[in-house]
Amino acid sequence: EVQLVESGGGSVQPGRSLRLSCVAPGFTFKDYAMHWVRQTPGKGLEWVSGISYRSANKGYADSVKGRFTVSRDNAKNSLYLEMNSLRVEDTAMYFCARPIRVGAIGAFDIWGQGTTVTVSS
Amino acid sequence: IVLTQSPGTLSLSPGERATLSCRASQSVTSTYLAWYQQKPGQAPRLLIYGGSSRATGIPDRFSGSGSGTDFTLTISRLEPEDFAVYFCQQYNKSLTFGPGTKVDIK
Repeated sequence: EVQLVESGGGSVQPGRSLRLSCVAPGFTFKDYAMHWVRQTPGKGLEWVSGISYRSANKGYADSVKGRFTVSRDNAKNSLYLEMNSLRVEDTAMYFCARPIRVGAIGAFDIWGQGTTVTVSS
Repeated sequence: IVLTQSPGTLSLSPGERATLSCRASQSVTSTYLAWYQQKPGQAPRLLIYGGSSRATGIPDRFSGSGSGTDFTLTISRLEPEDFAVYFCQQYNKSLTFGPGTKVDIK
């Protein structure tokens, strides 16, 4: 079954760090770009970051640039998001997501169940 | 690119037609416009990609259209399971989502 499974969320104080992971069994992970998307409670969706299939290209939303780092390990079918200098406004559900086809940038047809990050003092 | 969706909430009855709008702050190639449905406690579900192509398993009552800065998602006849929040997404320049339109039962 094609699926994505996130982990690593939790509750932290402002200024601290967290590392999110996303494991991708069930498809040829190494062929796809991958993305992180977050959603604040009761609010909309925000693209956070994306990484190309061989990690050559990475992109970030302005709101996280310089604080978050995306990476992947194709041998482990895994995607990561290192989040540093966390702010209260980073509180959200974080999803990893896969584009609908190899070479596509957007249109995410596979999503994880999400992992919750809460930043509070 | 900023996406604006209207209306914020659409109150309709089952069997009615729903027309949802997504407007972009600058032109978006229709190839790079997608629509999603989200229900409470669930991840978004891809409905439409490439402006008008239905994703796998999506019923043909869902259709996407538009070009330039104006795009539309149409649900021809609402089924009970269609009451949800709908988001548009552009992936022409970086990636952004619209704020969503909630379709609720009248």
